[in-house]
Amino acid sequence: GAGVSQSPRYKVAKRGQDVALRCDPISGHVSLFWYQQALGQGPEFLTYFQNEAQLDKSGLPSDRFFAERPEGSVSTLKIQRTQQEDSAVYLCASSPVDFSTDTQYFGPGTRLTVL
Amino acid sequence: GENVEQHPSTLSVQEGDSAVIKCTYSDSASNYFPWYKQELGKGPQLIIDIRSNVGEKKDQRIAVTLNKTAKHFSLHITETQPEDSAVYFCAAAFYQKVTFGIGTKLQVIP
Repeated sequence: GAGVSQSPRYKVAKRGQDVALRCDPISGHVSLFWYQQALGQGPEFLTYFQNEAQLDKSGLPSDRFFAERPEGSVSTLKIQRTQQEDSAVYLCASSPVDFSTDTQYFGPGTRLTVL
Repeated sequence: GENVEQHPSTLSVQEGDSAVIKCTYSDSASNYFPWYKQELGKGPQLIIDIRSNVGEKKDQRIAVTLNKTAKHFSLHITETQPEDSAVYFCAAAFYQKVTFGIGTKLQVIP
């Protein structure tokens, strides 16, 4: 079956531009997670949705980062006024249950490069 | 918050040998410990996991052990094959919050 998909796979932005990253989770999955993975590091938690409700956004690094999942399926991570330190791979994961203590299925990620 | 330390950061083994990766965690509330394999250009893929009420779990060539008292958990891969070459991440989770280790780059030399 189809897995988690993310688009675009690669994004180059000039410093100060706004970007929007899309995640299509596995159909029917209740939970959706966003992670930021810097080069040579493990993924770092950004935010968590249960259906359309954003239950935890404690990992978002600044108020320039905003995520939404308005209909409980597709999610968008938006970064305003991008900075060089935002360069990273942004990973999306989904899970069929409402807690993380079950398998999270990851997408391939979007590699963001801010010049 | 939770802190997960993982070592070694790189590991080279001969094909057929065993590989061991060790992790420690700080938050005793963590109750779920997944291990992920990440290949170049791909997202992490779950290979095995263990819950806090279990001390050991095995799946073919892969096994994990958990010592809750010491807050240690380890991944063991036996009879390594070239296709096992990848970056491996341990993680500790409590409800929706998952904290990953820094990763171990495993190279299996044919």
